[in-house]
Amino acid sequence: DIQMTQSPSSLSASVGDRVTITCRASQDISESLTWFQQRPGKAPKSLIYDASILQSGVPSRFSGGGSGRDFTLTISSLQPEDFATYYCQQYKNYPYTFAQGTKLEI
Amino acid sequence: EVQLRESGGDLVQPGGSLRLSCAASGFTFNEYYMDWVRQAPGKGLEWVGRVRTKNHAYSTEYAASVKGRFFVSRDDSKNSVSLQMNSLQTEDAAVYYCVRGRNGFDNWGQGTLVTVSS
Repeated sequence: DIQMTQSPSSLSASVGDRVTITCRASQDISESLTWFQQRPGKAPKSLIYDASILQSGVPSRFSGGGSGRDFTLTISSLQPEDFATYYCQQYKNYPYTFAQGTKLEI
Repeated sequence: EVQLRESGGDLVQPGGSLRLSCAASGFTFNEYYMDWVRQAPGKGLEWVGRVRTKNHAYSTEYAASVKGRFFVSRDDSKNSVSLQMNSLQTEDAAVYYCVRGRNGFDNWGQGTLVTVSS
């Protein structure tokens, strides 16, 4: 199975900050990577797929990059609603696997 | 608007069975793969399984942790997907999400809670 690792596992930041979360795959997954945001008590929401393509309706302050094994999710200017947990997931090979998540706190 | 609505979550004893359902609307259901993802209380996300479309013979994929116990199926005439869960174990307790499997996982239901306890 492909192992996915995110860093950091938690992150404290302020409104207006620029933050970057990294995700590493245990093997080459090309650009078969997606990012999700999950607020407490809610279902995950898809932000980015194919490593860098923004889902419809997602604000442009979110961006994704990378290919192969190393990927990033960047939020250019944090808004209050962005404080949540973020997950990356690979869909290159079955079983699809998620990283453990990054909790973004104020 | 894409909508996915899960149902069927319940309290079940270890060793028991449960069937979850997901009603889909707002898109051409038979064109999309459908997935199930679960999240144990306070834990991260775990992909459970997938059912492909008729064009791909409704073939399925499963996580190793559920293979042989869980079965994903779909009824395109009813725009629904199901997850049959057998031989349930305490570690299967989670919120189960129905997910549309395109462009990553682009749409999620609100989830249904499965509790496994004696």
